[in-house]
Amino acid sequence: ETGVTQTPRHLVMGMTNKKSLKCEQHLGHNAMYWYKQSAKKPLELMFVYSLEERVENNSVPSRFSPECPNSSHLFLHLHTLQPEDSALYLCASSQDQTSTGNTEAFFGQGTRLTVV
Amino acid sequence: DQQVKQNSPSLSVQEGRISILNCDYTNSMFDYFLWYKKYPAEGPTFLISISSIKDKNEDGRFTVFLNKSAKHLSLHIVPSQPGDSAVYFCAASARTDKLIFGTGTRLQVFP
Repeated sequence: ETGVTQTPRHLVMGMTNKKSLKCEQHLGHNAMYWYKQSAKKPLELMFVYSLEERVENNSVPSRFSPECPNSSHLFLHLHTLQPEDSALYLCASSQDQTSTGNTEAFFGQGTRLTVV
Repeated sequence: DQQVKQNSPSLSVQEGRISILNCDYTNSMFDYFLWYKKYPAEGPTFLISISSIKDKNEDGRFTVFLNKSAKHLSLHIVPSQPGDSAVYFCAASARTDKLIFGTGTRLQVFP
């Protein structure tokens, strides 16, 4: 148990669907992240939230929309995705790296997304 | 431009022997390095880290070595166990910047 929980674990959606991924952390961290893991590619950082404010958007298409209502919860809203968006989406949390310099992140188990 | 590179996609080692996983980086501003381990259908879990002020950090069977002049780090696992079979990701960051991950090396430890 890493303290970071993601739901659902698996998701199949059509290109016209709207769905949301949920992440919850119980570690008292104040920074949360969305990563994308595609086959044979490095883990790609998508979004960073620190103290509930988005501090980074790594040129992610607008069909991915994050939401961080509080320091424990992070959502990724999905809309009109493409088949190439099929990947493992990982949520992570850490203490605010800008204050501690320690960027060890704790990851959830991921959501395996398939876009058909 | 891939700033963190793991050039070996896979490694196979016999149980009891040493596993050496390698990682190279290009950004001289990186000052904190981490190794993560990932089992299938699970998220990466933190394994061990090293700051750029050190050249070695040891935790049980796991040792990370950092060669700043060569921009190279390695993870040594000794003795290797079947339960160590997983994908290992190297990651690096500058002090206030995001983690950059490598593509991973799949380690298989056979009896």
